[in-house]
Amino acid sequence: DAKTTQPTSMDCAEGRAANLPCNHSTISGNEYVYWYRQIHSQGPQYIIHGLKNNETNEMASLIITEDRKSSTLILPHATLRDTAVYYCIVRVAIGQGGSEKLVFGKGTKLTVNP
Amino acid sequence: EAGVTQSPTHLIKTRGQQATLRCSPISGHTSVYWYQQALGLGLQFLLWYDEGEERNRGNFPPRFSGRQFPNYSSELNVNALELEDSALYLCASSWKRGGGYNEQFFGPGTRLTVL
Repeated sequence: DAKTTQPTSMDCAEGRAANLPCNHSTISGNEYVYWYRQIHSQGPQYIIHGLKNNETNEMASLIITEDRKSSTLILPHATLRDTAVYYCIVRVAIGQGGSEKLVFGKGTKLTVNP
Repeated sequence: EAGVTQSPTHLIKTRGQQATLRCSPISGHTSVYWYQQALGLGLQFLLWYDEGEERNRGNFPPRFSGRQFPNYSSELNVNALELEDSALYLCASSWKRGGGYNEQFFGPGTRLTVL
């Protein structure tokens, strides 16, 4: 079972920031938070991951709370092409064992409106 | 750099037949993962291959099998097809670092329809 909970759906206006929350209250100290998205009927696309510090790349920013029980994915300037299902996944850190499979929950359906 | 490729894009079979799906990982990646995305069920882990060996298996019957070739490409075989096997089959690849495996990169998928 997925170890995360996310809202079923969210809407965002084009050009505005999209903030997607994720709760992972049972996260362990050696587990990373990963974000993927899936545009309709395509393969999931890796976005970003982090352990406890905030992370930023060319696609998005990841803000993780100090207690690591929740996080927020931020798309700073959402476009219509960002409409997708966004998955938040917790995964054991590299080199510390555990299964290598990704456990996907139901994700958040983000709709960016013009 | 080419991404993960899968073939065929679409596959139509009838109940009882066998289906073979193929995946080529990103160059330099040694691990291949297979996932099934059936309508309404989300992404389910099927199989993980690394350096030619099966490393992990999801909760699927034995008629789902596969293999990984010396060039790290992989094949997923589904025998005795059932209607509920209709789904998008996704392949992902990753590479080793520091004793573990990095983020997985997905291919576009093969849409299998069983009639």
